Amino acid sequence: GAVVSQHPSRVICKSGTSVKIECRSLDFQATTMFWYRQFPKKSLMLMATSNEGSKATYEQGVEKDKFLINHASLTLSTLTVTSAHPEDSSFYICSARVALDNNEQFFGPGTRLTVL
Amino acid sequence: RKEVEQDPGPFNVPEGATVAFNCTYSNSASQSFFWYRQDCRKEPKLLMSVYSSGNEDGRFTAQLNRASQYISLLIRDSKLSDSATYLCVVPPISGGYNKLIFGAGTRLAVHP
Repeated sequence: GAVVSQHPSRVICKSGTSVKIECRSLDFQATTMFWYRQFPKKSLMLMATSNEGSKATYEQGVEKDKFLINHASLTLSTLTVTSAHPEDSSFYICSARVALDNNEQFFGPGTRLTVL
Repeated sequence: RKEVEQDPGPFNVPEGATVAFNCTYSNSASQSFFWYRQDCRKEPKLLMSVYSSGNEDGRFTAQLNRASQYISLLIRDSKLSDSATYLCVVPPISGGYNKLIFGAGTRLAVHP
């Protein structure tokens, strides 16, 4: 159980375009999902917390207008990188928490974004 | 001081060796801790939770030292498949259950 999927797994796009990444909980409902970013040889950094039915909570330094998050259902959260630039190239990973009283998070397989 | 600090390594060990990593944390009130494993270009996967009394799962042992504010991961009889980056994870008190703080990871390379 507790499977999280992401789509696409890899995307290459031109500078200035927008990219949407989907995160789905396949066998459970997730009221809260999390979006992380990881640069090569660096730690995972939390970008935002995605709450079903309400606005996402962004971490300090993360531009909410650039990284649009939508959590329209209990099994789907999307992250849209708007007007992507080469410095946005990174590994984007989502996770979901299974239970409200449990810190354990299950991670999606990640999306590797390359902006040319 | 960073909230979570790890020695980045790499730790290069032969098969069968015993290796241990430490992770220090800054918030003395932290209650729960985790070790995650991350393979290259893959997502992190939970390896073990760390309890006050320690936790053992096969060849892996995790321990908590509250006085010195560190957790450790011991791997016995290392296998080639243990080669990965091991991430120390601490949920912050102020963030409740909504956040995990990841260490930068310790890289382990097991060679034949």
